[in-house]
This record gives sequence, C-alpha cells and structure tokens, in this order.
Amino acid sequence: NAGVTQTPKFQVLKTGQSMTLQCAQDMNHNSMYWYRQDPGMGLRLIYYSASEGTTDKGEVPNGYNVSRLNKREFSLRLESAAPSQTSVYFCASSGAGGAQFFGPGTRLTVL
Amino acid sequence: AQSVTQLDSQVPVFEEAPVELRCNYSSSVSVYLFWYVQYPNQGLQLLLKYLSGSTLVESINGFEAEFNKSQTSFHLRKPSVHISDTAEYFCAVKNSGYALNFGKGTSLLVTP
Repeated sequence: NAGVTQTPKFQVLKTGQSMTLQCAQDMNHNSMYWYRQDPGMGLRLIYYSASEGTTDKGEVPNGYNVSRLNKREFSLRLESAAPSQTSVYFCASSGAGGAQFFGPGTRLTVL
Repeated sequence: AQSVTQLDSQVPVFEEAPVELRCNYSSSVSVYLFWYVQYPNQGLQLLLKYLSGSTLVESINGFEAEFNKSQTSFHLRKPSVHISDTAEYFCAVKNSGYALNFGKGTSLLVTP
C-alpha cells in the first residue's frame, strides 16, 4: 500500500498563477484533509471532506478550493496564487478512530 | 473547539538522557489524543494515540504518553533518547468533529 500520495513534491508559481495539488489514498478512508504548515504555526486545516461528495471549510480556507473527486482523491486548487500562500501543504486521510495518515507534502513557493 | 498547547518550542537533550515533551489540551470532555513525529522534509507519522482504556500508551520505538484527565495533559516521554529521535513532535486532539487540532510543535534536538 502506498498510503497517501501527493503530487507535485515541489512547485514554484508566480503571483496570480493557478495550480492544483493532487492527493490520493489507498486505505479506503472516508475522510480526507488539506493542511498547510508554516514555521512556528503548526498545522492549520484548510478544507476537509468527511465523506465522498461533501467538503467543508477549515481554519484557513480563503484563497483555496477543493474537489472530492471520488473516495480516493481530494484535490486542492489555488485559483490566483499569492506570496502568502507560500507554504508546505499536506494531505491526510482518516478512517474509524480518528487517527490521520499524512502524505509526504508539497513545497509551494509563490514569487 | 479543543485547543492544544505544547509548552516547549525546543527541547535540547543529550543522547541516552530521558526526555519529556509536554502537551496540554483545553477541556476535560471526551477526547482522542495523538502524538505525531515529523522528520526533516517529511510528512507527519503517527507515533501513538489514546482513544480509551489504559491511560498509558506506548509506541514501538520506546516512547510513551500518559493521559491525565484531571490535569488535561498528554505528555510524551522516553527514558533514553537516540540521535535518530531528533525531529519535530506534534500533539493533537480530536473531539466530536472530524478534524484534529494540532499544537505548534516541539523541536527535539538530541546531541552526542
């Protein structure tokens, strides 16, 4: 099992460009999440999907959109990137019990 | 919503010494508690979890954490650390919702 996979691993954007971060899990989990990690801030929840067909805002949703494509895949889209969105982005999934399993992350730099 | 406070941002310790990383959460209602470890340039890995039952939980690499309801704490301990334990450690809490609330992390630096 690959667990949670994310693409790309690294990305550099110019201000105003758009991009989609991809995430997939093979653990048959119902719930999936997108976090951003910034120095000294811990992890902050951007959006989550409790089950296929549903999405909800987290703590810092502004500037992002998500799509739960199917049970396996959950993508995060930046429509018009800003320097404040420079961060490391992590996707996670969870099943019963609440423990979340994380992907390796995407390092995004917005110039 | 529950919040989590990790009381130390950095903990330096010598190899083979004991260590305690402190974590407090905001309420004594039923919670699930977790510790995650993040090695440099990697994702978070689940270290251990408390869901119910015994208040002392252990990981496979020698860490343990004790759930203390009266003090709303879930401190992480290891009796003898190795250089390879150098990493960022995150405490997290989940109550009735889906998401976890993470602390800001504690950087453990083990030196020879």
